[in-house]
Amino acid sequence: EDKVVQSPLSLVVHEGDTVTLNCSYEVTNFRSLLWYKQEKKAPTFLFMLTSSGIEKKSGRLSSILDKKELFSILNITATQTGDSAVYLCAPRYNNNDMRFGAGTRLTVKP
Amino acid sequence: EPEVTQTPSHQVTQMGQEVILRCVPISNHLYFYWYRQILGQKVEFLVSFYNNEISEKSEIFDDQFSVERPDGSNFTLKIRSTKLEDSAMYFCASLDRSEGGYTFGSGTRLTVV
Repeated sequence: EDKVVQSPLSLVVHEGDTVTLNCSYEVTNFRSLLWYKQEKKAPTFLFMLTSSGIEKKSGRLSSILDKKELFSILNITATQTGDSAVYLCAPRYNNNDMRFGAGTRLTVKP
Repeated sequence: EPEVTQTPSHQVTQMGQEVILRCVPISNHLYFYWYRQILGQKVEFLVSFYNNEISEKSEIFDDQFSVERPDGSNFTLKIRSTKLEDSAMYFCASLDRSEGGYTFGSGTRLTVV
């Protein structure tokens, strides 16, 4: 059975801290891995990772995939209160379906 | 920026009633999805739809559920006889051929009473 495990489940930090969120997966027919941010409503797309070892960056956020060890990390540097959200990772399958992990709830305190 | 539109934003229905949740995906997208999220729980896959037919469906998507793309723009999720446990936020998403991310609508909150 396919598995997506995110850790930690929740995290509380102070503004300015750096955080690393983890996602490990065991899926068949893996194509790529996506990261999403969910605040009050719908998930919003952050990154899609297809190749191992190539870091993707967007401002203070960055992410990398290790297809050999089957995990990905999402880093957020210099966190701000606006980064408070649930961060979801989701493997994308060859048939373009996508399944979410349970998420990491990040709370950034002022 | 193109959006996925969902209506209504909130629907309250009595147990046993039929509901139809509506979605207008992004116009040139080819893959369509429904997900649901029970309050405080993870986002769960319901069904994917491509080329006018269901591609995959989860165990949640039983005979009470159906999807339709009746014209070139709408994508609907019907729940035939709602149960209390169907109360959740339902998200529609669409994807084009590219290697980009899926675009989600802002969701319909379904409350079954």
